[in-house]
Amino acid sequence: AQSVAQPEDQVNVAEGNPLTVKCTYSVSGNPYLFWYVQYPNRGLQFLLKYITGDNLVKGSYGFEAEFNKSQTSFHLKKPSALVSDSALYFCAVRDNYGQNFVFGPGTRLSVLP
Amino acid sequence: EPEVTQTPSHQVTQMGQEVILRCVPISNHLYFYWYRQILGQKVEFLVSFYNNEISEKSEIFDDQFSVERPDGSNFTLKIRSTKLEDSAMYFCASSPQTLNTEAFFGQGTRLTVV
Repeated sequence: AQSVAQPEDQVNVAEGNPLTVKCTYSVSGNPYLFWYVQYPNRGLQFLLKYITGDNLVKGSYGFEAEFNKSQTSFHLKKPSALVSDSALYFCAVRDNYGQNFVFGPGTRLSVLP
Repeated sequence: EPEVTQTPSHQVTQMGQEVILRCVPISNHLYFYWYRQILGQKVEFLVSFYNNEISEKSEIFDDQFSVERPDGSNFTLKIRSTKLEDSAMYFCASSPQTLNTEAFFGQGTRLTVV
């Protein structure tokens, strides 16, 4: 069965500093990995995905994520955080046997001015 | 840009009543999903739908729940005999045929059972 862990409930970072939101996963077969962001009272908005190829993937709003197969991780990063990045971030996985997306518990990111 | 639309945005219902949550997926998508989120917490998978039938469902998706694609465009989630614990945000999502694509989510329906 697929599973996703996000070990930090909350991440606080100062504006302008780099941010990392951690994600580890467990799947059978090849993983398809995704990051979504949720702003208050809104739906889930796609940020980026890893399917195959380069381990570093770039997405929307300056976010990027690094796929590490040996550590089964897919951490979300941004070189310089903005206050407007404050939101709830979800990592998700889909394997090539299933169709549904399995989400992690979410990490609340607060960027402090 | 095409988007998934959900109606209503907020539904209040009496315990024991039936509710129908409606979704219009993106028109050329073939996989459809319902997820729920309680109090801004974890996003929980309910059901996926492909080729006019349920392809996967979670243990949450018991006999109280049903899904339907009544007219080729709408995708509905029916909850019979609602309970207080059904109060949550319900998200519809759709994705194209290929498995390596992301899901596109609607803005959600907030269901409040009183």
